[in-house]
Amino acid sequence: SQTIHQWPATLVQPVGSPLSLECTVEGTSNPNLYWYRQAAGRGLQLLFYSVGIGQISSEVPQNLSASRPQDRQFILSSKKLLLSDSGFYLCAWSTRDRGYNEQFFGPGTRLTVL
Amino acid sequence: GDSVTQMEGPVTLSEEAFLTINCTYTATGYPSLFWYVQYPGEGLQLLLKATKADDKGSNKGFEATYRKETTSFHLEKGSVQVSDSAVYFCALSDDGGGSYIPTFGRGTSLIVHP
Repeated sequence: SQTIHQWPATLVQPVGSPLSLECTVEGTSNPNLYWYRQAAGRGLQLLFYSVGIGQISSEVPQNLSASRPQDRQFILSSKKLLLSDSGFYLCAWSTRDRGYNEQFFGPGTRLTVL
Repeated sequence: GDSVTQMEGPVTLSEEAFLTINCTYTATGYPSLFWYVQYPGEGLQLLLKATKADDKGSNKGFEATYRKETTSFHLEKGSVQVSDSAVYFCALSDDGGGSYIPTFGRGTSLIVHP
């Protein structure tokens, strides 16, 4: 069966510090991968998606970046965090076997920037 | 572009009450429709789906019917429980030229009191 992991689960970082969040998927190959942010009390904002290794599409211009160094690994980074980067970050995957339509979400990372 | 509109929350009900959460959509193609549920502090989970007009998705006592004529996919449950308290997201997905980027509603918070 497929599983998705995210770490860390929670993170408290000062303004201006770097960020690295990691997401890995097990039990599937060539997934589409997605990073979302959920601000407090608000809906989902798609940040990045990837259809393959090294292929990253950005949906929202900001101080975040994403990379996909391996087929089932997706990393979200920042060189300098802003207060507005606080939120709940969700990684998700979809796959050709399910028509790419269903998304499967990880447990999320709660980021607080102080 | 595609869009999903959900009723504003929170929806507050007593245990065993009937639940309806309205969802309407706008799409240029023939999308698949989904309801996801997010329990406090967790990622989203797929609750149910429908892939074509008049399909009914069902799971855990929840149901939703894909109504193409009214572009709606309302979520219903005959008797809610305290454990159903969560945020519910309506979503659609079509192939979007191969990118498979879903469109989510803003989410509706459900609070069920004993």
